[in-house]
Amino acid sequence: DIQMTQSPSSLSASVGDRVTITCRASQSIRNCLNWYQQKPGKPPKLLIYAASSLQSGVPSRFTGSGSGTDFALTISSLQSEDFASYYCHHSCRSPFPFGGGTTVEIK
Amino acid sequence: QVQLVQSGAEVTKPGASVKASCKPSGYTFTAYWIGWVRQAPGQSLEWMGWINPGNGDTMLSQKFQGRVTITRDTSASTVTLELNSLRSEDTAVYYCARVKRWLQLGQIGEALDHWGQGTLVTVSS
Repeated sequence: DIQMTQSPSSLSASVGDRVTITCRASQSIRNCLNWYQQKPGKPPKLLIYAASSLQSGVPSRFTGSGSGTDFALTISSLQSEDFASYYCHHSCRSPFPFGGGTTVEIK
Repeated sequence: QVQLVQSGAEVTKPGASVKASCKPSGYTFTAYWIGWVRQAPGQSLEWMGWINPGNGDTMLSQKFQGRVTITRDTSASTVTLELNSLRSEDTAVYYCARVKRWLQLGQIGEALDHWGQGTLVTVSS
């Protein structure tokens, strides 16, 4: 089965910072990668699909990039509402694994 | 607007079964697959399976084969997850979500674009 590895598992940042989270697949998954944001006690929210397509209604400060095995989610200027956990998700082959998550905390 | 409303929390014992329901609204029920994802306390997300409400076809994670059933009731526009032979490790929040199919660069994939509020299942003796 394909494994998804995210890094870092957590990071501290300030409002206005540029933040990048990476996700690596154990084998090539082309562009089959989604990104979700989750706040405590809430369901996940889709941010990016197909590695780089912005979901409707998501602010343009969120950017997805990569293909094959290496992917990234970048937040260009961190806002207070962006402090949350982020998960990558391989979406084309069972068992459709998620990454372990990255928690973005306030510095 | 699109909403998925799930059934309430359940407390159950090891070896028992549990059902969680999901009622989508705001779109044509049969037009989108519905998936189930669970999240154990403090853990990441885990895909369990999905169903095509149009014809009842399912795709299930091999990890749960034999223990999980996903069904739909088109008259009630409801999808139900049933998990059997429960153990303490099944304690988790169970989410349903609408499946968005996308096509980019010749590749077809899925994403979960609208989520229910979650159903907490607690397995404890």
